[in-house]
Amino acid sequence: AQSVAQPEDQVNVAEGNPLTVKCTYSVSGNPYLFWYVQYPNRGLQFLLKYITGDNLVKGSYGFEAEFNKSQTSFHLKKPSALVSDSALYFCAVRDLRRAGNMLTFGGGTRLMVKP
Amino acid sequence: EPEVTQTPSHQVTQMGQEVILRCVPISNHLYFYWYRQILGQKVEFLVSFYNNEISEKSEIFDDQFSVERPDGSNFTLKIRSTKLEDSAMYFCASSERNYEQYFGPGTRLTVT
Repeated sequence: AQSVAQPEDQVNVAEGNPLTVKCTYSVSGNPYLFWYVQYPNRGLQFLLKYITGDNLVKGSYGFEAEFNKSQTSFHLKKPSALVSDSALYFCAVRDLRRAGNMLTFGGGTRLMVKP
Repeated sequence: EPEVTQTPSHQVTQMGQEVILRCVPISNHLYFYWYRQILGQKVEFLVSFYNNEISEKSEIFDDQFSVERPDGSNFTLKIRSTKLEDSAMYFCASSERNYEQYFGPGTRLTVT
């Protein structure tokens, strides 16, 4: 079975400071990993993915994430937070050994960026 | 930029009624999905669809659920006899290949 844990329900950061949103995963095979963001009354927007290759992946809006196989983690980072980054962030994993591309999501982390 | 669209945005139905939720995936995408999110809970996978057949489904996707691609653009989720616990936000998604999935804005289903 595949699973994702986002240990923090909420992360608070001041505008201009670096931010980290944590994610750990569990899969039987090799993972594809994703981050999505959800703004109020909107769907999930794709931010970035790790498929293979460089462990540091860059995505939309200045976000990046680091894949760490030994720690089974895929933390989302941004060097300088904006108030407009405030939203709900979801980490998701897909097990390559499964056929149907099923994504398993974490419970989400609410990011609050204060001016 | 192409988007996944869903209709209606909000559907209210009585227990036992059938509902059909509609989605228009991104036009060149080949893989289609339905997920749901019960208020305050995780986003949960329901079903994936490729080449006109279901490729994977979760235990939530029982005989009360079905999916169809009735034409070249629409992708539908039917719930035959709704239950109170079906109340949730339902998200449609599509992907070009088996990489990132692009989600629609969701349909909020309220079963009374």
